[in-house]
Amino acid sequence: AQKVTQAQTEISVVEKEDVTLDCVYETRDTTYYLFWYKQPPSGELVFLIRRNSFDEQNEISGRYSWNFQKSTSSFNFTITASQVVDSAVYFCALSEEWYGNNRLAFGKGNQVVVIP
Amino acid sequence: NAGVTQTPKFQVLKTGQSMTLQCAQDMNHNSMYWYRQDPGMGLRLIYYSASEGTTDKGEVPNGYNVSRLNKREFSLRLESAAPSQTSVYFCASNLPGQGAPGANVLTFGAGSRLTVL
Repeated sequence: AQKVTQAQTEISVVEKEDVTLDCVYETRDTTYYLFWYKQPPSGELVFLIRRNSFDEQNEISGRYSWNFQKSTSSFNFTITASQVVDSAVYFCALSEEWYGNNRLAFGKGNQVVVIP
Repeated sequence: NAGVTQTPKFQVLKTGQSMTLQCAQDMNHNSMYWYRQDPGMGLRLIYYSASEGTTDKGEVPNGYNVSRLNKREFSLRLESAAPSQTSVYFCASNLPGQGAPGANVLTFGAGSRLTVL
């Protein structure tokens, strides 16, 4: 069974501070995919990033960066110089190749509150 | 391009009433999904349809039925609503088969907020 753990429930930061969201996953499969989704107060789910288990290259995209480490089963997400618009719930999700049709298992989410 | 459209956006039911949540996508996606979101629980898969004519149970299927009416539409039915089904429901779709199936990104609808009294 696949499992995604996001230990922090709510994180408050002052604008311009950095915030890192932790995601730890469990899977027995050797091929799997990891995702981060953002859910702003309006409620829609917005795709942010996807990584497969063979690609441990970390990436920076604007103010967002991701740190994928298979050795620790972690896929952490950092927002640099946070802005009020970053206030949202962030979900980490896992899809195992075996399931085929992208049956995502979601973590419980991190509520990020950026204080102006 | 509308993407994934869910109706209704809001609904209040009394215990025991039935209703159907509708979902349609215009992206020619093969697979469609229904998730529910509850506070502190993340999103949990209710049912999914890998392709037209097939449906399968997800993590929390009890109390729900689904119909994959055609390639575009995937409905979720509550036959006898219970307060435990108060939730926000999300429909999603994707196009597995292009590259590794697990890699394809889900496109979500805007959600349907259901309250059962």
